[in-house]
Order: sequence, then structure tokens, then C-alpha cells
Amino acid sequence: AQSVTQLGSHVSVSEGALVLLRCNYSSSVPPYLFWYVQYPNQGLQLLLKYTSAATLVKGINGFEAEFKKSETSFHLTKPSAHMSDAAEYFCAVSEGNQFYFGTGTSLTVIP
Amino acid sequence: DSGVTQTPKHLITATGQRVTLRCSPRSGDLSVYWYQQSLDQGLQFLIQYYNGEERAKGNILERFSAQQFPDLHSELNLSSLELGDSALYFCASSVGVAGVETQYFGPGTRLLVL
Repeated sequence: AQSVTQLGSHVSVSEGALVLLRCNYSSSVPPYLFWYVQYPNQGLQLLLKYTSAATLVKGINGFEAEFKKSETSFHLTKPSAHMSDAAEYFCAVSEGNQFYFGTGTSLTVIP
Repeated sequence: DSGVTQTPKHLITATGQRVTLRCSPRSGDLSVYWYQQSLDQGLQFLIQYYNGEERAKGNILERFSAQQFPDLHSELNLSSLELGDSALYFCASSVGVAGVETQYFGPGTRLLVL
């Protein structure tokens, strides 16, 4: 079975600083990869997804992620954090007809 | 607003009871997914339906069942409830069945089993 690892359950950054949220997956065959964001008391919202078209994927709200097959990673970045980015972020993998989510990373943005 | 609706928003019940959670997908979406989010297990995929037919099963307990009706809304039935079933249950929908599909999540139903 696939596993999705998000290193760091809590990440704090200063406003304007780089955001880096890490995600590694276990499959040897590149699956479909997703990043979702969850704001308090809300459902998940798609930030971006990797579909094998391009290794650097741009998403909403200035986020992007790079697929690195050799590292089985799909880290999420944003050049400059904004207060509104404070939320829970989930990396997810779709393989076959199964869906796997990481445990989530809570992002705090310090003013 | 994702366009996916879930009712009720909150549900409090007792152990041993049975509850039904309801989900209406976005207009035009044929796939419905159910997820359970709890503090100890994280976000887990339970089951997927496509156009009324079961498409995929994840970590769904035998005490849980789901169905998708002709109008495409879906219900998740949880029976013989245990304390550990307390969680946030999400429904999501997508247009098709492919793994690459974007899933649109509802706001969830928070279940508390006492």
C-alpha cells in the first residue's frame, strides 16, 4: 500500500518568508500527487496537482510544487508567506482507485 | 463554497446507535467519495461511488455502508457506533473516476459518539 509522509506536523514562518512543506510518497511508480489546504472548520480545497505533464506545478494563491521522481518527493513552496496562508496542508496520492493522505502540516504565519 | 453540501453539520449520538450522513455532489459530478478525519487516524478514504455504483473501497469498516442514489446524492450509514467513530466525515465529488480528477470537498459532518 502507498504511504504519504509529511515531515513536520507544525511549521512556523514569518510573514514574507519562504514556505516549504515537505511530502514524500512511497510508490516506485509515479502516482498522481495533490496538495490540499484546509482552513478551520472547512473542507479541503485543492491547491495543485501533478499529472505527469510537468514536474513543476503551479497552483492557486502563489503555491507551487516540484515532483522529483528520484527523491519520491512533492514538496510545496511559496516564495513569500501571507497571514492568510495559515492553515492545515495535506499531501495526497492517488494510485489506482485508492486515495492516500498524509497526516497534515499545520502552517503558522508569524507577523 | 465547493458546491458540495453535507447534512447534518453536527451529530451527537450514543454508542450502539445508527446514523445516516447525507451528501449532495456538485452539479454535474458523477463520483462521490467519503472520508473520515480523526485525530489519531488522520484523513482516511472510505469509499467511492460513481453514477450509482460502488467504484472503490478503502478503509471502511463492515459496520459502515454507503450508497449513491439515482439523483446522485449519497448517504453514509454508520451502525453499532463506538466511541472511536467520533470524527469529521467528509464527502467529496468529482466529474469522473480517474485518479487524476480534482475532488471537491464538502464542509463535513462532525460526529460525536458519547
